[in-house]
Amino acid sequence: LAKTTQPISMDSYEGQEVNITCSHNNIATNDYITWYQQFPSQGPRFIIQGYKTKVTNEVASLFIPADRKSSTLSLPRVSLSDTAVYYCLVGAPGSSNTGKLIFGQGTTLQVKP
Amino acid sequence: SQTIHQWPATLVQPVGSPLSLECTVEGTSNPNLYWYRQAAGRGLQLLFYSVGIGQISSEVPQNLSASRPQDRQFILSSKKLLLSDSGFYLCAWSVHSYNSPLHFGNGTRLTVT
Repeated sequence: LAKTTQPISMDSYEGQEVNITCSHNNIATNDYITWYQQFPSQGPRFIIQGYKTKVTNEVASLFIPADRKSSTLSLPRVSLSDTAVYYCLVGAPGSSNTGKLIFGQGTTLQVKP
Repeated sequence: SQTIHQWPATLVQPVGSPLSLECTVEGTSNPNLYWYRQAAGRGLQLLFYSVGIGQISSEVPQNLSASRPQDRQFILSSKKLLLSDSGFYLCAWSVHSYNSPLHFGNGTRLTVT
């Protein structure tokens, strides 16, 4: 099972780009990399998912190097409302490890005015 | 579209009392179902997961149990609550595919007094 390591916390200012890196050295061939955002007293919310190279959607980009042992979530031009905890999750729900989707500690992002 | 419902939203129970938290999913069939717990200021701890009716896997031995009496119903129970059972309980679902993200409910805030 791929264990993930992220920075515990990060600070940024409104309008800046924020990059959060997650390490997952023992990622398996079938594993996908998924990022979630969690606000206080709410369930985590899906942000973006990728397998390799770069993925971009309307809220974020995800960069995955060729060896897939790390990934970087990029949030462009953050606002105060992006203050949240961000989790990197590595796994494959449809694989033999179905269900063993274990979250790491997450990164608390604090956006300042 | 798929939706997930958890109830109650908040619950205060005395030590030694029983517990029953219910989660239901609509709009999909045969989902993977998960129970996570989040202690105050901590990350997400996987408690149970289920790949089908009557199939429950436990990740953490404790005084909690889970059941899946119907395809889209997942129940978390305890016969006697402990103070350490306090926390934020989250139910989630995914489909059986390698790249299915988790979809979380809004959670139940349990306080054991």
